[in-house]
Amino acid sequence: QVQLVESGGGLVKPGGSLRLSCAASGFTFSDYYMSWIRQAPGKGLEWVSYISSSGSTIYYADSVKGRFTISRDNAKNSLYLQMNSLRAEDTAVYYCASGIADNWFDPWGQGTLVTVSS
Amino acid sequence: EIVLTQSPATLSLSPGERATLSCRASQSVSSYLAWYQQKPGQAPRLLIYDASNRATGIPARFSGSGSGTDFTLTISSLEPEDFAVYYCQQRSNWPQFTFGPGTKVDIK
Repeated sequence: QVQLVESGGGLVKPGGSLRLSCAASGFTFSDYYMSWIRQAPGKGLEWVSYISSSGSTIYYADSVKGRFTISRDNAKNSLYLQMNSLRAEDTAVYYCASGIADNWFDPWGQGTLVTVSS
Repeated sequence: EIVLTQSPATLSLSPGERATLSCRASQSVSSYLAWYQQKPGQAPRLLIYDASNRATGIPARFSGSGSGTDFTLTISSLEPEDFAVYYCQQRSNWPQFTFGPGTKVDIK
């Protein structure tokens, strides 16, 4: 069964850092691109970052460029998001998603909540 | 950036009724459009991809149509479990993926 499980969320002060992880199972992780997508409380979905299957190609949304770093470890079937210089507007549930379904976002993890507040 | 607009914002219907949701793109996305369903407290789930293809395990009552800038998600006969928020998403402008603001389908 294909499964994605995020972890690492929590409460952090503005300007702080946090590292999210996404553990994948049930599929050949190294064959597929991965992305992070976030959802602020009561709001819609916002794509955050993309990493190719090999990790050689990476993209970011303008809203996080220069502050967030996506990476993956194919040997550990894991995806990461290093978040630095966090702002209140980064408060959201962060989902990891794979491109298994013909390069669309599917499946998604259950999400991990990041709260940036003093 | 390609902006997606969804209408209506809220659709109030009864079980058994037909639901028609619209998604409009600010420029052509060809057929690179998907629909997702999200229920409260859950992650989104892929319903339709490439504008009209049902994802694995999605019931036949869900159908998608359109190309270019205008797209439609139709639920032929609403089941109780279909009341949720629906988002469209484009990947034409790879990898600047964008989502629409969502349409909430609630019980009338």
